[in-house]
Amino acid sequence: EPEVTQTPSHQVTQMGQEVILRCVPISNHLYFYWYRQILGQKVEFLVSFYNNEISEKSEIFDDQFSVERPDGSNFTLKIRSTKLEDSAMYFCASMADGMDTGELFFGEGSRLTVL
Amino acid sequence: GDSVTQMEGPVTLSEEAFLTINCTYTATGYPSLFWYVQYPGEGLQLLLKATKADDKGSNKGFEATYRKETTSFHLEKGSVQVSDSAVYFCALRASSGNTPLVFGKGTRLSVIA
Repeated sequence: EPEVTQTPSHQVTQMGQEVILRCVPISNHLYFYWYRQILGQKVEFLVSFYNNEISEKSEIFDDQFSVERPDGSNFTLKIRSTKLEDSAMYFCASMADGMDTGELFFGEGSRLTVL
Repeated sequence: GDSVTQMEGPVTLSEEAFLTINCTYTATGYPSLFWYVQYPGEGLQLLLKATKADDKGSNKGFEATYRKETTSFHLEKGSVQVSDSAVYFCALRASSGNTPLVFGKGTRLSVIA
């Protein structure tokens, strides 16, 4: 069964360092997302991506965040200069089409710990 | 803005007990409603969904009915198993095309034998 894969599963970094989280969405999907969950809090939307550009982003997704689909398979989230409050589980998701009833398929998540 | 509120966990039940996890929402229009489940060490998986009022979503013995009058989408299962232990997330998507899913905080369920 096709699945979304994320790497790394866990990354520990120092404050101020750059981090890149990688995702391989399901191959025929067109819509891509990043969500995050700070421990004990809600799963929060960060950004959606379609047709090689950002289609929507939340207020969390400020200038220190960026996304790329560099090679048609990977979908990356970059945090330029990490802060302590960026510590969270980051989930990548993909969806086949843009229907509001469509199913998002999620990866297992990448846990980021900023020290 | 749109939001989802679900009951705080953790919820601990004995095997074969009845499960209810409450979920209420605030949204304009007619959102689609979802329950996602996260088993230990895995990603979120769609459990069930309902796309209009009075629809009932069901899967693996779980059910939830879209109640517009009470803006609720409570998850129920008549007889839980140890393998149902997971975190359950209620979510909605507004009915205006490719809008993001809005999640609740999640409810951790532990079922003991």
